Amino acid sequence: QVQLLESGPGLVMPSQSLSLTCTVSGGSIRRGNYYWNWIRQPAGKGLEWIGRVYSSGNTNYNPSLKSRVTISVDTSKNQFSLRLSSVTAADTAAYFCARGVGSILGTVYHYYGMDVWGQGTTVTVSS
Amino acid sequence: DIQMTQSPTSLSTSVGDRVTITCRASQSISIYLNWYQQIPGKAPKLLIYAASNLQRGVPSRFSGSGSGTEFTLTISSLQPEDFASYYCQQTYSTPLSFGGGTKVEIK
Repeated sequence: QVQLLESGPGLVMPSQSLSLTCTVSGGSIRRGNYYWNWIRQPAGKGLEWIGRVYSSGNTNYNPSLKSRVTISVDTSKNQFSLRLSSVTAADTAAYFCARGVGSILGTVYHYYGMDVWGQGTTVTVSS
Repeated sequence: DIQMTQSPTSLSTSVGDRVTITCRASQSISIYLNWYQQIPGKAPKLLIYAASNLQRGVPSRFSGSGSGTEFTLTISSLQPEDFASYYCQQTYSTPLSFGGGTKVEIK
């Protein structure tokens, strides 16, 4: 079955950029009606959606982070990536990648839940 | 942006009890409401999608209902492995958003 695995530095300096990659195994990132997401969760707090990318490369971002976020996809490597610039301590969190499920009915795309998640990776912003 | 409000934020209950968690959206989201379970230190797990559809492999004691702005997750008979946090999520429009979570604890 499809599995996701996040990778990247666990410690980032303030004002630098955070870069994470999610590697998809057990299935092609290009197949099916899926959208690929990044979500984060500060310790002891709730979940925050960062954004999503489609295999086409189209993206949607959370406006709260939009000016600092870039999500990209590399279909040849079956990966998608997150870059968050100008980080501060407030960006310290567990970061998850997740597969979202959709379906197309007629001309309308319907978005359902996120059925496969990575294990998460903790990123600490500190000098 | 659509705000999702869950209640209660926490509850203490016993094995075998029936548990109901409510999620309200700040505007209509049709049926685009999902429920997740999260055990500390683990990734969320999808339980219910599109308001009332049980994700494959999830026990039938979990059920969801609702549409528009009000939704409910019900656990018919709480099992020891169900003590966890639960989150609702709307996928009606971006930015996708989660409720604040409900922590289900042992009484």
